[in-house]
Amino acid sequence: DTAVSQTPKYLVTQMGNDKSIKCEQNLGHDTMYWYKQDSKKFLKIMFSYNNKELIINETVPNRFSPKSPDKAHLNLHINSLELGDSAVYFCASSQEIFNTGELFFGEGSRLTVL
Amino acid sequence: LAKTTQPISMDSYEGQEVNITCSHNNIATNDYITWYQQFPSQGPRFIIQGYKTKVTNEVASLFIPADRKSSTLSLPRVSLSDTAVYYCLVGDGGGAAGNKLTFGGGTRVLVKP
Repeated sequence: DTAVSQTPKYLVTQMGNDKSIKCEQNLGHDTMYWYKQDSKKFLKIMFSYNNKELIINETVPNRFSPKSPDKAHLNLHINSLELGDSAVYFCASSQEIFNTGELFFGEGSRLTVL
Repeated sequence: LAKTTQPISMDSYEGQEVNITCSHNNIATNDYITWYQQFPSQGPRFIIQGYKTKVTNEVASLFIPADRKSSTLSLPRVSLSDTAVYYCLVGDGGGAAGNKLTFGGGTRVLVKP
C-alpha cells in the first residue's frame, strides 16, 4: 500500500493548457503539502492544508489552485500553463502542522510544458 | 526564516563513513533539524531528526553542537545504494504559521565501488 500516492506520474502538455495533479494519503494525517522541485533540485513549498483548511500559501501565481475535498486528498490545478511551470511536483503529508515529525512524500509528478 | 547551507556534493567509497555538515546560523529556539534522503525519481525520505546533542537510529547519526548553528549527518559504512541527495532542513518555528520546512539544494553523495 502506497502511503502517499499522486497521479499522474508524468504529464506532458502544451503552453496555455490547464492540468491537474491528484494526491491521496492513507496515513490518516491531518496535514498535506505541495512542493515544487526545479531542475536544480531545490524543493520549495507551495501550499499546505491542515484538515482541509489552507494554512500556507507561498508566493505562487494564482494560476495554481489547490483543492482539498477531504483531509486525505489534496489536488493541484494549474491554469494557463507556462514553460516555467515545468518541474517535478511532490505531494507530502504529516501528522500535524508543526516542525517536528516527518514528512511523507509521494513519488512526484513530472510536468513538462512544451 | 532559517536557512541551511550544505556542500553541493561529496564522493565516498563503499564501507567508508560519510559525514555531511550543514550550517543553520539563524535556527530558532523551537526549530528541529531534520535530514532527508532522495533517490532519483523518488520523493524525499525522512532519515533522522534532532534538537540537540546526538541522535542515532538504525540508519544514521546526527550530531548537533550546543549552539545548534550546525549539524552533521553521519552515515556509517556506506554502500552503493546510499548514493543519493541528502537534504538538511530546519523548521520555520511552527505554531500558527504552520510547517514550512525549507529544503535547500541538498548534498549529492556519490558512493563509488
